[in-house]
Amino acid sequence: GQNIDQPTEMTATEGAIVQINCTYQTSGFNGLFWYQQHAGEAPTFLSYNVLDGLEEKGRFSSFLSRSKGYSYLLLKELQMKDSASYLCAVRDNAGNMLTFGGGTRLMVKP
Amino acid sequence: DTAVSQTPKYLVTQMGNDKSIKCEQNLGHDTMYWYKQDSKKFLKIMFSYNNKELIINETVPNRFSPKSPDKAHLNLHINSLELGDSAVYFCASSQATTGDRVDIQYFGAGTRLSVL
Repeated sequence: GQNIDQPTEMTATEGAIVQINCTYQTSGFNGLFWYQQHAGEAPTFLSYNVLDGLEEKGRFSSFLSRSKGYSYLLLKELQMKDSASYLCAVRDNAGNMLTFGGGTRLMVKP
Repeated sequence: DTAVSQTPKYLVTQMGNDKSIKCEQNLGHDTMYWYKQDSKKFLKIMFSYNNKELIINETVPNRFSPKSPDKAHLNLHINSLELGDSAVYFCASSQATTGDRVDIQYFGAGTRLSVL
């Protein structure tokens, strides 16, 4: 089975940097995804890591350490529109099934 | 153009009824999924359907049944609805991983089901 933990809520200031952590314990691992979900909307893909290290995409970066079962999503130059839930999801090595964490609700304040 | 579309967006019904939610994707993907997101916002996989192969999450009651008339559609039928079925149901689709391409799942806008 999969067990994925993320903080429930975080608050940050516009223009700042925030790091959202995700730890996982899985029976199999074949990649970790980060999704953004605004209230009442569909989750949208942000980033993917399967090898250790940092993946950078504009203001968003994601890091993975497979040996530690740990990932983080880094958001730079925060904007008000970044207020959303951020979902960490692990794919097992049996197929395309994703197991999601409970999500971290990020509130960006002026 | 909407990539993954679900209907209806809202569904309010009585306990014991049978209902269906439809999902269509125009991305040419070969795998489709149904997820349930409960009031605590946990998003849980219910089914994965690929080339007529159905993978079921063992925790899903057999009152829930996916039906795929073709590769672009995966509908969800729910029999004998219960109060605990109230949630947001998301459909998603992806293309199987080949080479370096990542099989990103694209989600529909969700169907908010309320069972009274």
